[in-house]
Amino acid sequence: QKEVEQDPGPLSVPEGAIVSLNCTYSNSAFQYFMWYRQYSRKGPELLMYTYSSGNKEDGRFTAQVDKSSKYISLFIRDSQPSDSATYLCAFILTGGGNKLTFGTGTQLKVEL
Amino acid sequence: DTGVSQDPRHKITKRGQNVTFRCDPISEHNRLYWYRQTLGQGPEFLTYFQNEAQLEKSRLLSDRFSAERPKGSFSTLEIQRTEQGDSAMYLCASSSLRLAYEQYFGPGTRLTVT
Repeated sequence: QKEVEQDPGPLSVPEGAIVSLNCTYSNSAFQYFMWYRQYSRKGPELLMYTYSSGNKEDGRFTAQVDKSSKYISLFIRDSQPSDSATYLCAFILTGGGNKLTFGTGTQLKVEL
Repeated sequence: DTGVSQDPRHKITKRGQNVTFRCDPISEHNRLYWYRQTLGQGPEFLTYFQNEAQLEKSRLLSDRFSAERPKGSFSTLEIQRTEQGDSAMYLCASSSLRLAYEQYFGPGTRLTVT
């Protein structure tokens, strides 16, 4: 079993739609839950991260963590064409170097 | 704050040649990370430094790979005797100790081995 599972997509939605992106993980020792956005041929950009179960909101983005189910989600409200990118979930084990363990990424396209 | 920079952005080399990449982290960031990303995959951890000390290396980092951060500022990643399987995007990230979970990535160096 892979440590992190993420549907690669592609996911295509109309402008203004609510987008739901998800990851499951198997390592119960993961303690930080991150979402990165990566535009084509660019480096990943940190969107938001959370430590505990529950929701965290930042503008149009909401990150949700369910530790009991080992499931995390990123919701994008009022999606825009500029949101078209690959979204990567990532996880950190505390202690040591805080290295990131990434999912494969979900490719999102928001169409006019 | 100019962000993380990497040089070169693209490198094409022939199998068997050596290549070296450079990363300049955000100034005053103590930690510097190297990751590798292949097409359709997420980045995979290679190694990290805290100041000039290399504290962890992934088993992905074969003995053909070496990384340095001699003065605790910029870092170099060298690949000796390149193989076609080394073709990937090599990403550098940095973080401060105060906000240790926030890693900021550079634009990457895309390596193509022919």
